[in-house]
Amino acid sequence: DAKTTQPTSMDCAEGRAANLPCNHSTISGNEYVYWYRQIHSQGPQYIIHGLKNNETNEMASLIITEDRKSSTLILPHATLRDTAVYYCIVRVANYGQNFVFGPGTRLSVLP
Amino acid sequence: GAVVSQHPSRVICKSGTSVKIECRSLDFQATTMFWYRQFPKKSLMLMATSNEGSKATYEQGVEKDKFLINHASLTLSTLTVTSAHPEDSSFYICSARDSQGGTEAFFGQGTRLTVV
Repeated sequence: DAKTTQPTSMDCAEGRAANLPCNHSTISGNEYVYWYRQIHSQGPQYIIHGLKNNETNEMASLIITEDRKSSTLILPHATLRDTAVYYCIVRVANYGQNFVFGPGTRLSVLP
Repeated sequence: GAVVSQHPSRVICKSGTSVKIECRSLDFQATTMFWYRQFPKKSLMLMATSNEGSKATYEQGVEKDKFLINHASLTLSTLTVTSAHPEDSSFYICSARDSQGGTEAFFGQGTRLTVV
């Protein structure tokens, strides 16, 4: 799986959009970009994933650059409950393959 | 999204005893489940891949005789920590993916094991 690089930590004001970047310059054509988050003392929570088109769901939007070498997860209106570690993972869509977690970005939403 | 239920969420045991952790996919079938371990302020590390009806595949450095995995049905995998020691204290997390569904995996809520 391609390696990803994320900032160690970020702050965001409550109610504002949180934009979390991820670099994956070695991504292969058949690798997807997945985002998960982990709130303290809980298991990771699936947020969104995409291949090359931008994606949006009830939780977030995923913007993937045209060359697919980077992406941004957008939480449109961050709340205090969005404080968590956010993981960007790149992998092929192989059923039997696990997800490899890096250190992620610790997002702190401030009141 | 699909639900993965892990039980217990928290357990304290004495050194030398064994502890069983259950991972259930509640509304889907999973022929493969994964077990992770997470130490404080660290990321998740894969321990083993659990395969329904066959032996689990363990990552390098993980003792298969100490961390027994059983995947007897398409909705249940168990991890048993045998002869637990204080250094086994950790946060254990399972994940599963719907055999008939999308490419994303879903994670249990985790089990906090404390060995005293």
